Amino acid sequence: RKEVEQDPGPFNVPEGATVAFNCTYSNSASQSFFWYRQDCRKEPKLLMSVYSSGNEDGRFTAQLNRASQYISLLIRDSKLSDSATYLCVVKGPSSGGSYIPTFGRGTSLIVHP
Amino acid sequence: GAGVSQSPSNKVTEKGKDVELRCDPISGHTALYWYRQSLGQGLEFLIYFQGNSAPDKSGLPSDRFSAERTGGSVSTLTIQRTQQEDSAVYLCASSPTGGNSGNTIYFGEGSWLTVV
Repeated sequence: RKEVEQDPGPFNVPEGATVAFNCTYSNSASQSFFWYRQDCRKEPKLLMSVYSSGNEDGRFTAQLNRASQYISLLIRDSKLSDSATYLCVVKGPSSGGSYIPTFGRGTSLIVHP
Repeated sequence: GAGVSQSPSNKVTEKGKDVELRCDPISGHTALYWYRQSLGQGLEFLIYFQGNSAPDKSGLPSDRFSAERTGGSVSTLTIQRTQQEDSAVYLCASSPTGGNSGNTIYFGEGSWLTVV
């Protein structure tokens, strides 16, 4: 079982749509959670951290369910510029014993006119 | 600059040659990570530095891969006797602290390695 699993998509949605991405993680000792965005042939960039109480940043809402080991990202009113790959990131103890950010393979979003 | 800087941005090398990839993290960041991303794949963890020490090398794929960090700053990832399967983008990231803190990690633009 992969440590961080995401539906690869692609999710193909019209402008203005609401879209939700899910992510599950296997290590219950994980401590910190993030969503990153990666554009084609670019480096990943932080979109938002994810807190247990849930948090919102403009059109983006992130939720964490520790009991189910599940993270979600909701994007409202999608824009063309939201087209990218969204990476779920979980920081937890690695096989080497350190807390390492582990990345999911990403969910591809395509927003069309 | 203020961000993570990596060099070279692109490197084409012949199979069997050694390559060195450099990372200059954000000033003051004690944690430094190397990842590898093959075409169409996710990020694969390679090694983590806290200061000059590497407490976690569990992601290095073989003994052809090594890395060091000096002065708590610049890190070099060395790949010896490169193979075609080493072709990937090598991403360096830094963070103010490591451990189980919730600090964001910031990436450089990567070094694109092609082994021919």
